[in-house]
Amino acid sequence: DIQMTQSPSSLSASVGDRVTITCRASQSISSYLNWYQQKPGKAPKLLIYAASSLQSGVPSRFSGSGSGTDFTLTISSLQPEDFATYYCQQSYSSPQTFGQGTKLEIK
Amino acid sequence: EVQLVESGGGLVQPGGSLRLSCAASGFTFSSNLMTWVRQAPGKGLEWVANIKQDGSEKYYVDSVKGRFTISRDNGKNSLFLQMNSLRAEDTAVYYCAREYIWGSYRFLSSWGQGTLVTVSS
Repeated sequence: DIQMTQSPSSLSASVGDRVTITCRASQSISSYLNWYQQKPGKAPKLLIYAASSLQSGVPSRFSGSGSGTDFTLTISSLQPEDFATYYCQQSYSSPQTFGQGTKLEIK
Repeated sequence: EVQLVESGGGLVQPGGSLRLSCAASGFTFSSNLMTWVRQAPGKGLEWVANIKQDGSEKYYVDSVKGRFTISRDNGKNSLFLQMNSLRAEDTAVYYCAREYIWGSYRFLSSWGQGTLVTVSS
């Protein structure tokens, strides 16, 4: 199975900050990488698919990049509603594994 | 509007069985792969299983192989997860999700609200 490792596991930031979350795959997954946001008590929500494509309705302050084994999710200017947990997921092969999550907290 | 509504969760003893259901609406169910994802209390997301549009192919995470069976009824727009020989470590919120295909890419575009399964004596 492909292992997905996110860093950091948690992050404190302020409104307006630029934030980057990293996801690394244990083998090359081309661009088969998705990002999800989850708020407490809620289902995950798709943000980015195919490494860099923004899901419809998702604010443009979210962006994704990378290919092969190294990927990043960037939030250009944090808003209060962005404090949540973020997960990467590879869809290159089954089982489609998730990263362990990055909890983004208010500083 | 896409809607996915899970049901069937509850408290079950170790070694017991439970069948989860997911009722889908707002999209052509028979044209989509479907997936189950779970989340143990306070933990991250774990992909559990998925099933092809016609049910001909199914994939499982190793930890549930031989115990869980994913199935679907396209006539009733429903997805199922039969869970047998349940263990404490299966305790989680179980989400069903629509797996959208875009070219060669796939992603979980819509999720249900989840149903809680608790395995405990």
